[in-house]
Amino acid sequence: NAGVTQTPKFQVLKTGQSMTLQCAQDMNHEYMSWYRQDPGMGLRLIHYSVGAGITDQGEVPNGYNVSRSTTEDFPLRLLSAAPSQTSVYFCASTRGRDDTQYFGPGTRLTVL
Amino acid sequence: DQQVKQNSPSLSVQEGRISILNCDYTNSMFDYFLWYKKYPAEGPTFLISISSIKDKNEDGRFTVFLNKSAKHLSLHIVPSQPGDSAVYFCAAKATTSGTYKYIFGTGTRLKVLA
Repeated sequence: NAGVTQTPKFQVLKTGQSMTLQCAQDMNHEYMSWYRQDPGMGLRLIHYSVGAGITDQGEVPNGYNVSRSTTEDFPLRLLSAAPSQTSVYFCASTRGRDDTQYFGPGTRLTVL
Repeated sequence: DQQVKQNSPSLSVQEGRISILNCDYTNSMFDYFLWYKKYPAEGPTFLISISSIKDKNEDGRFTVFLNKSAKHLSLHIVPSQPGDSAVYFCAAKATTSGTYKYIFGTGTRLKVLA
């Protein structure tokens, strides 16, 4: 198993550009989520999904869109990037309610 | 409004001694708690967890204590080793209306001195 994979590893955007951060897992996990990590702020939940076709907002959803058309994939879209979205983004998945989350290696995004 | 707080941004401990990392939470609906460890340039990895119906869980050198009345949990590492140097995050699971989500704290950077 590859676990949770994220692409790209690094990305530089200009303000106003759009892009999609990819996340995939091969563990048949129902639950997937996106976090951003900023200095002094810890890991903050952006969006999450309890299964294909179901998504919900986390703590900091503004400026981000998600969809979950398959169990394996959970892409995060930035429609119009802003410097405040400069961060490290982590995707995670878990099998069930009391199971551990498995995290991907992260995507470091810089918005100029 | 930070629902999960780790008030100590950093902690230094001598090798072989005990490391105690603390976490406070405000939401009484949290029903499951986890600790993760994170090395630079890597994703967090699971360390240990505890259900809200328990007050202690042990796994080797790692023990998590939960005090529900104080809304406080702690992670004890005994004995501490240099390889334990990392950022530690506590997380809490909230279950509402048939769905659930995990909220993380701000992290504590542990440095174990050889």
